[in-house]
Amino acid sequence: DTEVTQTPKHLVMGMTNKKSLKCEQHMGHRAMYWYKQKAKKPPELMFVYSYEKLSINESVPSRFSPECPNSSLLNLHLHALQPEDSALYLCASSQDVTSFKETQYFGPGTRLLVL
Amino acid sequence: AQSVTQLGSHVSVSEGALVLLRCNYSSSVPPYLFWYVQYPNQGLQLLLKYTTGATLVKGINGFEAEFKKSETSFHLTKPSAHMSDAAEYFCAVSTILTGGGNKLTFGTGTQLKVEL
Repeated sequence: DTEVTQTPKHLVMGMTNKKSLKCEQHMGHRAMYWYKQKAKKPPELMFVYSYEKLSINESVPSRFSPECPNSSLLNLHLHALQPEDSALYLCASSQDVTSFKETQYFGPGTRLLVL
Repeated sequence: AQSVTQLGSHVSVSEGALVLLRCNYSSSVPPYLFWYVQYPNQGLQLLLKYTTGATLVKGINGFEAEFKKSETSFHLTKPSAHMSDAAEYFCAVSTILTGGGNKLTFGTGTQLKVEL
């Protein structure tokens, strides 16, 4: 099973709202990722968790707050977002944290609209 | 820094024709290269990857790619296009991160259109 699941599929939120995106994998992968993808653009890396610890934050604004409660679950907490944050948010996971070669498996994404 | 360049943001082919999507890389070390496909409103799915060994890599759905070091290229091909191949295709290069995990740096993508 190479499935990464994400909920919700769609999310509409106001600029003062607080919401969370959820990502889950049961492949035993030890690295998990959040990407942001704007329309007609490639995905851009936001955060990387390795063994449930944040290893990379690609200079993401603090209104995005990641959390990795356990090895299977990754959350992205959203607060005071701006309309320009509207995008497809993709979660991915990979097995080995020490190899270039590892395939990242992507979830279907959450399409976020900020009003 | 490692990077990939995809030539042609849009490619249109007839059903049954050859598909050729171009990707060139820039890397000071042997690169690890990936091709992903993204169907509308979906996540990314791995088509194939090159790590080491055989330079001709076969992937899913009849796609293959050849790693050519002399040309710094990793072009994606399929002998006969099918309507279901219409999608966005991304070439990517992998960089290992000191804190763990690997970073995928994507090209700008190529939208493949398949016409009857």
